[in-house]
Amino acid sequence: SQTIHQWPATLVQPVGSPLSLECTVEGTSNPNLYWYRQAAGRGLQLLFYSIGIDQISSEVPQNLSASRPQDRQFILSSKKLLLSDSGFYLCAWSVMTGTQYFGPGTRLTVL
Amino acid sequence: GENVEQHPSTLSVQEGDSAVIKCTYSDSASNYFPWYKQELGKRPQLIIDIRSNVGEKKDQRIAVTLNKTAKHFSLHITETQPEDSAVYFCAVDIGAGSYQLTFGKGTKLSVIP
Repeated sequence: SQTIHQWPATLVQPVGSPLSLECTVEGTSNPNLYWYRQAAGRGLQLLFYSIGIDQISSEVPQNLSASRPQDRQFILSSKKLLLSDSGFYLCAWSVMTGTQYFGPGTRLTVL
Repeated sequence: GENVEQHPSTLSVQEGDSAVIKCTYSDSASNYFPWYKQELGKRPQLIIDIRSNVGEKKDQRIAVTLNKTAKHFSLHITETQPEDSAVYFCAVDIGAGSYQLTFGKGTKLSVIP
């Protein structure tokens, strides 16, 4: 069966520091991968999606970037965090059926 | 792009009563309509979904109905229980074989014992 992992689970970072969040999927090949951000009490904002290695689309302009160095690995990065980057970061995967399955998330607090 | 409206934003029901959440969408090419449940501090989890060739789907106490002509679909929860308390999100695929979903803003359901 398929599983999705994210780490770290929680992170507290100062403003201006770099960021790297990692997501890996097991049990499937060539998945579509997604990064979402959820602000406290709010909905899901799609940040990036990828249909293959080095094929990444950005949905919103921001100081974040994404990379997919391997088929089942998706990384979210920033060179300098802003206060507004705080939130719950969710990675998700899907195959051709369209159903998206979410990882456990990373709770990021920028101070 | 696809626009998804979800109502109500909050809903309180007595335990045992039914709850209904409705979503409307704009793109007639959309074909896939999932519902997710998110408990506090946890990931959204798929609870039921429906595709455009079906008008209704049921799974125990949960059902989803779809009206493609009117471009709306609804989540129905019967015999609500306290563990049904959560935020529920509807979603719609962007259509034309897209890999993306557009999510509604969510409904916070509270089931009062």
